[in-house]
Amino acid sequence: QITLKESGPTLVKPTETLKLTCSVSGVSLTTRGVGVGWIRQPPGKALEFVALIYWDDDERYTPSLQTRLAITKDTSRDEVVLTMTNVDPLDTAKYFCTHVNVVTPIPFDVWGPGILVTVSS
Amino acid sequence: EIFLTQSPGTLALSPGDRATLSCWASQSLSGRYLAWYQQKGGQPPTLLIYGGSTRAPGLPDRFNGSGSGTDFTLTINSLDPGDFATYYCLQYEESPRTFGQGTTLEI
Repeated sequence: QITLKESGPTLVKPTETLKLTCSVSGVSLTTRGVGVGWIRQPPGKALEFVALIYWDDDERYTPSLQTRLAITKDTSRDEVVLTMTNVDPLDTAKYFCTHVNVVTPIPFDVWGPGILVTVSS
Repeated sequence: EIFLTQSPGTLALSPGDRATLSCWASQSLSGRYLAWYQQKGGQPPTLLIYGGSTRAPGLPDRFNGSGSGTDFTLTINSLDPGDFATYYCLQYEESPRTFGQGTTLEI
């Protein structure tokens, strides 16, 4: 059974750097086809794709945020880390990490519970 | 980037009714890489349909996905009180993956 869980700060100040960690269990991050993505949802608004990293270290980003994002994985710790620089109150959202397998290909099929991040001074 | 437009924004129905939700893509999804999700409150979304029409394991057959090209539909027959939620479509044919803005199904 695949499970994911997000962790990180719940309050950050504008212009700071946000670092969120997704802890993954039940699947290896090196298994062909496996990817872990980040999706966010501002309060009362729609889901927004943020970033995705695959088993082969291929990285994908949403264009509007790409210059501020970095996604990495630590296979020894089974973790995927999302780093967002120069945060703004508009980055206030619930951030979900989610599993994908491009071999199957089933899109985001398992999600973490999410973490609410507030950007405020 | 492929944009998805969902219609209607809000759909008011009653238990037992049939719901028809639409999702239009700005470019053809030739591989039918279109999925539907259900979200209740602040919970994570639940995958319902992928590949345009394949139900996720355990999903009741009251839920049906159809469509191709740029026009896709999620039909929910005989609405159950638990079906009243917000529904999102997702295209995963091209990077970046993109979601529609959602349809809220309310009583």
